[in-house]
Amino acid sequence: GAVVSQHPSWVICKSGTSVKIECRSLDFQATTMFWYRQFPKQSLMLMATSNEGSKATYEQGVEKDKFLINHASLTLSTLTVTSAHPEDSSFYICSARRLAGTGELFFGEGSRLTVL
Amino acid sequence: KNQVEQSPQSLIILEGKNCTLQCNYTVSPFSNLRWYKQDTGRGPVSLTIMTFSENTKSNGRYTATLDADTKQSSLHITASQLSDSASYICVVGFTGGGNKLTFGTGTQLKVEL
Repeated sequence: GAVVSQHPSWVICKSGTSVKIECRSLDFQATTMFWYRQFPKQSLMLMATSNEGSKATYEQGVEKDKFLINHASLTLSTLTVTSAHPEDSSFYICSARRLAGTGELFFGEGSRLTVL
Repeated sequence: KNQVEQSPQSLIILEGKNCTLQCNYTVSPFSNLRWYKQDTGRGPVSLTIMTFSENTKSNGRYTATLDADTKQSSLHITASQLSDSASYICVVGFTGGGNKLTFGTGTQLKVEL
Protein backbone atom coordinates (compact mmCIF):
# COMPACT_ATOMS: atom_id res chain seq x y z
CA GLY A 1 0.00 0.00 0.00
CA ALA A 2 0.91 3.65 -0.27
CA VAL A 3 3.29 5.00 2.33
CA VAL A 4 3.29 8.37 4.01
CA SER A 5 6.28 9.11 6.18
CA GLN A 6 6.51 11.69 8.94
CA HIS A 7 9.69 12.94 10.52
CA PRO A 8 10.52 13.25 13.31
CA SER A 9 8.27 10.71 14.99
CA TRP A 10 8.79 12.46 18.29
CA VAL A 11 10.45 15.67 19.38
CA ILE A 12 11.02 17.47 22.65
CA CYS A 13 11.81 21.15 22.56
CA LYS A 14 12.07 24.14 24.85
CA SER A 15 9.34 26.74 25.03
CA GLY A 16 9.89 29.52 22.51
CA THR A 17 11.69 27.42 19.92
CA SER A 18 10.38 26.40 16.52
CA VAL A 19 9.88 22.83 15.37
CA LYS A 20 9.53 21.56 11.81
CA ILE A 21 7.69 18.35 10.97
CA GLU A 22 7.97 16.79 7.53
CA CYS A 23 5.35 14.74 5.73
CA ARG A 24 6.40 12.79 2.65
CA SER A 25 4.44 10.58 0.30
CA LEU A 26 7.06 7.97 -0.54
CA ASP A 27 5.57 6.14 -3.49
CA PHE A 28 2.90 8.41 -4.93
CA GLN A 29 2.26 12.03 -5.81
CA ALA A 30 -0.09 14.04 -3.65
CA THR A 31 -1.47 17.40 -4.71
CA THR A 32 -3.20 17.75 -1.38
CA MET A 33 -1.94 17.02 2.10
CA PHE A 34 -3.73 17.57 5.37
CA TRP A 35 -2.42 18.34 8.82
CA TYR A 36 -4.21 17.27 12.00
CA ARG A 37 -3.58 17.42 15.69
CA GLN A 38 -4.83 14.90 18.17
CA PHE A 39 -5.03 15.24 21.93
CA PRO A 40 -5.12 12.14 24.14
CA LYS A 41 -8.29 10.11 23.77
CA GLN A 42 -9.73 12.60 21.29
CA SER A 43 -10.34 12.43 17.58
CA LEU A 44 -8.21 13.99 14.91
CA MET A 45 -8.83 17.69 14.37
CA LEU A 46 -8.08 19.10 10.96
CA MET A 47 -5.74 22.07 11.17
CA ALA A 48 -5.14 22.93 7.55
CA THR A 49 -5.25 21.74 3.98
CA SER A 50 -2.00 22.04 2.07
CA ASN A 51 -2.02 22.31 -1.70
CA GLU A 52 1.14 21.96 -3.73
CA GLY A 53 2.39 25.30 -4.96
CA SER A 54 -0.18 27.43 -3.18
CA LYS A 55 -0.99 28.77 0.26
CA ALA A 56 -2.49 26.43 2.81
CA THR A 57 -6.10 26.74 3.85
CA TYR A 58 -6.44 26.89 7.62
CA GLU A 59 -9.41 25.77 9.68
CA GLN A 60 -11.17 28.25 11.88
CA GLY A 61 -9.29 28.88 15.07
CA VAL A 62 -5.91 27.72 13.77
CA GLU A 63 -3.30 30.48 13.74
CA LYS A 64 -1.60 30.51 10.36
CA ASP A 65 1.32 32.54 11.67
CA LYS A 66 1.96 30.00 14.38
CA PHE A 67 1.54 26.87 12.30
CA LEU A 68 3.43 27.52 9.08
CA ILE A 69 2.71 25.06 6.29
CA ASN A 70 4.73 24.68 3.13
CA HIS A 71 3.94 22.28 0.29
CA ALA A 72 6.89 22.73 -2.03
CA SER A 73 6.52 19.57 -4.08
CA LEU A 74 4.05 16.81 -4.89
CA THR A 75 5.65 14.58 -2.27
CA LEU A 76 6.54 16.90 0.60
CA SER A 77 4.68 19.15 2.99
CA THR A 78 6.10 20.65 6.16
CA LEU A 79 4.48 21.99 9.30
CA THR A 80 6.48 24.40 11.43
CA VAL A 81 5.28 25.16 14.92
CA THR A 82 6.73 28.57 15.65
CA SER A 83 7.50 29.84 19.15
CA ALA A 84 6.18 26.64 20.63
CA HIS A 85 4.53 26.64 24.05
CA PRO A 86 3.57 23.76 26.33
CA GLU A 87 -0.04 23.95 25.14
CA ASP A 88 1.20 23.09 21.64
CA SER A 89 2.24 19.69 22.91
CA SER A 90 0.21 17.22 20.92
CA PHE A 91 0.25 14.43 18.37
CA TYR A 92 0.48 15.89 14.87
CA ILE A 93 -0.58 13.72 11.95
CA CYS A 94 -0.51 14.36 8.23
CA SER A 95 -2.37 12.66 5.44
CA ALA A 96 -1.82 12.71 1.72
CA ARG A 97 -4.36 12.31 -1.02
CA ARG A 98 -3.15 10.27 -3.96
CA LEU A 99 -3.19 12.29 -7.18
CA ALA A 100 -4.25 9.35 -9.34
CA GLY A 101 -6.86 6.68 -8.91
CA THR A 102 -9.54 6.91 -6.25
CA GLY A 103 -7.87 9.76 -4.41
CA GLU A 104 -7.71 7.70 -1.26
CA LEU A 105 -6.19 9.28 1.83
CA PHE A 106 -3.13 7.79 3.48
CA PHE A 107 -2.02 8.85 6.92
CA GLY A 108 1.45 9.29 8.28
CA GLU A 109 2.58 7.67 11.51
CA GLY A 110 2.30 10.91 13.43
CA SER A 111 4.76 13.13 15.26
CA ARG A 112 4.63 13.51 19.03
CA LEU A 113 5.61 17.04 20.08
CA THR A 114 6.40 17.81 23.70
CA VAL A 115 7.18 21.40 24.60
CA LEU A 116 8.87 21.89 27.95
CA LYS B 1 -23.68 20.94 11.55
CA ASN B 2 -21.86 17.87 10.25
CA GLN B 3 -21.36 15.35 13.02
CA VAL B 4 -20.21 11.78 13.38
CA GLU B 5 -21.08 9.89 16.55
CA GLN B 6 -19.65 6.52 17.46
CA SER B 7 -20.72 3.98 20.02
CA PRO B 8 -19.75 2.49 22.29
CA GLN B 9 -17.01 4.82 23.45
CA SER B 10 -15.01 1.84 24.66
CA LEU B 11 -15.37 -1.91 24.56
CA ILE B 12 -13.61 -4.87 26.11
CA ILE B 13 -14.04 -8.34 24.61
CA LEU B 14 -12.37 -11.72 24.93
CA GLU B 15 -10.09 -13.00 22.23
CA GLY B 16 -11.97 -14.97 19.61
CA LYS B 17 -15.25 -13.17 20.15
CA ASN B 18 -17.02 -11.00 17.59
CA CYS B 19 -18.02 -7.38 18.09
CA THR B 20 -19.84 -4.61 16.26
CA LEU B 21 -19.06 -0.92 16.41
CA GLN B 22 -21.61 1.71 15.46
CA CYS B 23 -21.38 5.01 13.63
CA ASN B 24 -24.19 7.52 13.09
CA TYR B 25 -23.68 10.64 11.05
CA THR B 26 -25.44 13.80 10.02
CA VAL B 27 -22.98 14.77 7.29
CA SER B 28 -24.59 16.20 4.19
CA PRO B 29 -24.26 15.99 1.27
CA PHE B 30 -22.73 12.58 1.84
CA SER B 31 -19.81 11.42 -0.26
CA ASN B 32 -18.21 8.44 1.43
CA LEU B 33 -17.71 6.72 4.74
CA ARG B 34 -14.42 5.31 5.94
CA TRP B 35 -13.37 3.18 8.84
CA TYR B 36 -9.85 3.51 10.16
CA LYS B 37 -7.90 1.60 12.78
CA GLN B 38 -5.54 3.65 14.91
CA ASP B 39 -3.07 1.96 17.21
CA THR B 40 -1.93 4.02 20.19
CA GLY B 41 0.69 6.55 19.12
CA ARG B 42 0.39 5.68 15.44
CA GLY B 43 -1.37 7.12 12.45
CA PRO B 44 -4.74 5.77 11.28
CA VAL B 45 -4.79 2.91 8.80
CA SER B 46 -7.65 2.54 6.35
CA LEU B 47 -9.91 -0.50 6.75
CA THR B 48 -12.78 0.22 4.37
CA ILE B 49 -14.18 2.98 2.21
CA MET B 50 -17.80 2.98 1.04
CA THR B 51 -19.67 5.31 -1.24
CA PHE B 52 -23.38 6.00 -1.33
CA SER B 53 -24.17 3.00 -3.52
CA GLU B 54 -22.31 0.45 -1.41
CA ASN B 55 -23.93 -1.11 1.62
CA THR B 56 -21.28 -3.59 2.67
CA LYS B 57 -17.54 -4.02 2.27
CA SER B 58 -15.16 -6.52 3.79
CA ASN B 59 -11.47 -6.46 4.53
CA GLY B 60 -10.41 -9.74 6.05
CA ARG B 61 -12.08 -10.10 9.43
CA TYR B 62 -13.50 -6.59 9.19
CA THR B 63 -16.91 -6.04 7.57
CA ALA B 64 -18.43 -2.59 7.28
CA THR B 65 -22.05 -1.87 6.47
CA LEU B 66 -23.67 1.35 5.39
CA ASP B 67 -27.30 2.42 5.43
CA ALA B 68 -27.36 5.78 3.68
CA ASP B 69 -31.07 6.19 4.34
CA THR B 70 -30.74 6.04 8.11
CA LYS B 71 -27.19 7.46 8.01
CA GLN B 72 -25.76 4.60 9.99
CA SER B 73 -22.73 2.41 9.58
CA SER B 74 -21.32 -0.49 11.51
CA LEU B 75 -17.98 -2.23 11.65
CA HIS B 76 -18.10 -5.91 12.52
CA ILE B 77 -14.96 -7.64 13.69
CA THR B 78 -14.96 -11.43 13.51
CA ALA B 79 -12.88 -13.75 15.66
CA SER B 80 -11.08 -10.93 17.42
CA GLN B 81 -7.36 -11.07 18.08
CA LEU B 82 -5.21 -9.29 20.64
CA SER B 83 -3.79 -7.17 17.82
CA ASP B 84 -7.26 -5.78 17.15
CA SER B 85 -6.92 -3.69 20.31
CA ALA B 86 -6.96 -0.13 18.98
CA SER B 87 -9.15 2.87 18.37
CA TYR B 88 -11.58 2.52 15.46
CA ILE B 89 -12.52 5.76 13.82
CA CYS B 90 -15.47 6.42 11.54
CA VAL B 91 -14.83 9.21 9.06
CA VAL B 92 -17.43 10.69 6.74
CA GLY B 93 -16.63 12.72 3.68
CA PHE B 94 -19.01 15.25 2.16
CA THR B 95 -19.12 16.65 -1.31
CA GLY B 96 -18.50 20.26 -2.09
CA GLY B 97 -16.18 20.54 0.85
CA GLY B 98 -12.90 20.18 -0.97
CA ASN B 99 -12.15 16.74 0.39
CA LYS B 100 -13.41 17.70 3.83
CA LEU B 101 -13.81 14.86 6.26
CA THR B 102 -15.67 14.73 9.55
CA PHE B 103 -14.07 12.46 12.13
CA GLY B 104 -15.85 10.51 14.81
CA THR B 105 -14.28 10.37 18.27
CA GLY B 106 -13.59 6.67 17.89
CA THR B 107 -14.35 3.48 19.76
CA GLN B 108 -11.54 2.19 21.92
CA LEU B 109 -11.47 -1.60 21.62
CA LYS B 110 -9.50 -3.81 23.95
CA VAL B 111 -9.22 -7.53 23.28
CA GLU B 112 -8.20 -9.63 26.27
CA LEU B 113 -7.21 -13.24 26.81
